[in-house]
Amino acid sequence: QKEVEQDPGPLSVPEGAIVSLNCTYSNSAFQYFMWYRQYSRKGPELLMYTYSSGNKEDGRFTAQVDKSSKYISLFIRDSQPSDSATYLCAMSARPGGFKTIFGAGTRLFVKA
Amino acid sequence: KAGVTQTPRYLIKTRGQQVTLSCSPISGHRSVSWYQQTPGQGLQFLFEYFSETQRNKGNFPGRFSGRQFSNSRSEMNVSTLELGDSALYLCASQMGSSGNTIYFGEGSWLTVV
Repeated sequence: QKEVEQDPGPLSVPEGAIVSLNCTYSNSAFQYFMWYRQYSRKGPELLMYTYSSGNKEDGRFTAQVDKSSKYISLFIRDSQPSDSATYLCAMSARPGGFKTIFGAGTRLFVKA
Repeated sequence: KAGVTQTPRYLIKTRGQQVTLSCSPISGHRSVSWYQQTPGQGLQFLFEYFSETQRNKGNFPGRFSGRQFSNSRSEMNVSTLELGDSALYLCASQMGSSGNTIYFGEGSWLTVV
């Protein structure tokens, strides 16, 4: 079993829809949770960073962490065609890059 | 502020050859990590350098090596290339040894034929 599980999709939604992306994990030591967005043939860019449980909102994006269920989510409101990308969840037990475990990434297509 | 810069962006090599990839981190960042990304395996950690010292290494064979220079720039080398080494190699930098976030470069696309 992988430490982090993420459905690779693809996920196709109409423009304006609310998108829900999710990851589950098995390591209860994870404390730091990130979401990265990766456009085709580009490097991943950090979208959201959350420590421990709770919600964090940034514009149209909301990150949610439920440590009791070992489940994290990224919600995108009013989705736009420009949101079409691969979204990777990432998590680690300590701050910094070492031992950051990435999900496989979910490919999202937002249709105009 | 310039981001993480990787060179070359694209390259094609033949089996058995070796390749060197270069990474310049964000100015002021002292930690550089390398990752391999493939469709089948996703993002996998290769190694991390801080102040010219390799701090951590992932589960890759010894053909994969790296180094970091005093100006924080880093290189990774893959010797005796195999077809399975075809991947996107990503460099990431962070400010210190316990920085909270990783910033990625655009990556170097390696194709081994």
